[in-house]
Amino acid sequence: SQQGEEDPQALSIQEGENATMNCSYKTSINNLQWYRQNSGRGLVHLILIRSNEREKHSGRLRVTLDTSKKSSSLLITASRAADTASYFCATDNAGNMLTFGGGTRLMVKP
Amino acid sequence: GAVVSQHPSRVICKSGTSVKIECRSLDFQATTMFWYRQFPKQSLMLMATSNEGSKATYEQGVEKDKFLINHASLTLSTLTVTSAHPEDSSFYICSANRLTEAFFGQGTRLTVV
Repeated sequence: SQQGEEDPQALSIQEGENATMNCSYKTSINNLQWYRQNSGRGLVHLILIRSNEREKHSGRLRVTLDTSKKSSSLLITASRAADTASYFCATDNAGNMLTFGGGTRLMVKP
Repeated sequence: GAVVSQHPSRVICKSGTSVKIECRSLDFQATTMFWYRQFPKQSLMLMATSNEGSKATYEQGVEKDKFLINHASLTLSTLTVTSAHPEDSSFYICSANRLTEAFFGQGTRLTVV
């Protein structure tokens, strides 16, 4: 079952700008993960944030988690053309089974 | 990091034939693996949970007789698409968890002609 919702569904920005993607979910979670997927390829894990964490950084990525609002955001700073991909959030509840959001298709124009 | 290998990466088959996709955890044991399916421009949808040594658990709407799953060892799960039809053409991805982190295979692009 799919519980996450992401917005926007598609985002187009210029190189150098920041990109923000949001994810909402419905049930309680153990952690929330963000994945990247290049067209036709497998997912690549970007970052995991646990339910007791509020913010996490990894390079140009910044993830926030608000469990009271059941939402998360992924910020990519100083975007590059190579960041063009689909980005998915996934929630991990009981049983380590991931439930994915609908994804955001990011296009970074050079 | 942990690696999950999926094979083949691409396969084209004729309608009515069966196709087997393998998912291997290369450097860890996985009692549970997951199979996902992705239609173009859509999110991954969980098809089934593969359990080592027991029957797979299928999501609602997924035909277990059509998508046969075998998890015979702690490092290998297979998904067989039986009597494939063009509407089965899709991108199939497996994943396995090590602790709390999920690792995904490279995916298999299935085209049924």
